[in-house]
Amino acid sequence: AQKVTQAQTEISVVEKEDVTLDCVYETRDTTYYLFWYKQPPSGELVFLIRRNSFDEQNEISGRYSWNFQKSTSSFNFTITASQVVDSAVYFCALSVDYGGSQGNLIFGKGTKLSVKP
Amino acid sequence: DAGVTQSPTHLIKTRGQQVTLRCSPKSGHDTVSWYQQALGQGPQFIFQYYEEEERQRGNFPDRFSGHQFPNYSSELNVNALLLGDSALYLCASSLAEQGIIQETQYFGPGTRLLVL
Repeated sequence: AQKVTQAQTEISVVEKEDVTLDCVYETRDTTYYLFWYKQPPSGELVFLIRRNSFDEQNEISGRYSWNFQKSTSSFNFTITASQVVDSAVYFCALSVDYGGSQGNLIFGKGTKLSVKP
Repeated sequence: DAGVTQSPTHLIKTRGQQVTLRCSPKSGHDTVSWYQQALGQGPQFIFQYYEEEERQRGNFPDRFSGHQFPNYSSELNVNALLLGDSALYLCASSLAEQGIIQETQYFGPGTRLLVL
């Protein structure tokens, strides 16, 4: 069975601090995809990043960076110099291969990030 | 480029009633998935439609049913509503090239359903 664990329920930081959101996943599949989505109070899930299981390269996009480590089944997300607009619930998700296709998303419970001015 | 749209935005129903939620996929997408998000939880997969057929289904009872139209839009129907059906219902769309989904799913703003 597949599972995603986000152990941090809530994190509160002060603006300009760096913050890392943890994500641990479980799957026996060799082909899978990992995602991060942001959910602001409006409710819409905003796609941030997708990585496949064959690409362990870390990625940086502006103030965001992602650290994918298959050895520890983790896909952590770091926000550098956080801003108030980063306040949201962040979800890590896993999708496994489904007949050669990308299967449904399995979400963690989310981490609520509050960035205070 | 039109994103995923959902209607209505909010809905209030009473136990035992039936409800229909609607979703239009992002322009160029042909696959629609539905998720239920209870308060304080991550979204849970309900089912996915491709070529007007249910392709995958999560662990939801038969009270939850769906449909996909030739224009790729979709409906989610829930019969005999229970209090526990109160949630945010999210629709996501993606593109399946020759039946293979390799693209990211993009989500709509959701429909908030309250069952009294």
